[in-house]
Amino acid sequence: KAGVTQTPRYLIKTRGQQVTLSCSPISGHRSVSWYQQTPGQGLQFLFEYFSETQRNKGNFPGRFSGRQFSNSRSEMNVSTLELGDSALYLCASRATTSGRETQYFGPGTRLLVL
Amino acid sequence: AQRVTQPEKLLSVFKGAPVELKCNYSYSGSPELFWYVQYSRQRLQLLLRHISRESIKGFTADLNKGETSFHLKKPFAQEEDSAMYYCALSGGGQNFVFGPGTRLSVLP
Repeated sequence: KAGVTQTPRYLIKTRGQQVTLSCSPISGHRSVSWYQQTPGQGLQFLFEYFSETQRNKGNFPGRFSGRQFSNSRSEMNVSTLELGDSALYLCASRATTSGRETQYFGPGTRLLVL
Repeated sequence: AQRVTQPEKLLSVFKGAPVELKCNYSYSGSPELFWYVQYSRQRLQLLLRHISRESIKGFTADLNKGETSFHLKKPFAQEEDSAMYYCALSGGGQNFVFGPGTRLSVLP
C-alpha cells in the first residue's frame, strides 16, 4: 500500500495570509490526525478526523481548522498566519488491527511564515 | 491530564555500550505506551508498543505502572540507532500525546 502523502511539502507564506495543507491517508484508513512539530514545543496534537467528523481536538486556537472528505483525504487550514505558525505539520492515518491502533505518519509539510 | 516527559534532550553513547532512553508519563487510567523513532531524513515511525512486549531492532521497553515509566533499552548500541526517539501515550481512544523527544547519538 502507498504510504501517507502530504502536499505541498514546502510552503512559504506571509503574516496574515491563510494556508491549506492536504493529507491523503493510507488506503482503507478512515482516521486522520494532524500534528504541529516545532523545535521548542515538539509534537503537538491538533485534531483528529474519523469518517468526516472531528473526533478529537487539541489545544490550538480557532485559526486552525480541518475537514475530512468522504474518501478520507483531509485538509488543514490555518487562517491569519502568525510567525509562530512556522512549523512542520505532520499528518498521520490510523488503523486498528487486532484491537491495536497504529499511526502511520506522512513526510510532513514544512510551513515558513515570514 | 495526559503528559509524557523525556528528561534527556540528547544522549550520547559509544557503539557497543548499553543505552536507556527514559520516559515517564502521567495518566489517570490505563494508557497504551509507544516509542516512535525518526531517523535522519525519514518520517516518524512506530518502533514498539508496550502491549506487544516485543523486541524491535534489539530495543525493548517495559511498562512500569508503579513508577509510571516506559524506558527504552538496548544492551549494545549501534551507529545506525542514532535518531530522534519519541515516547507517546494514548488513552482510551483519545489523541496521542508525545514527549519532547530524545536525540540519541551513537559514537563510533
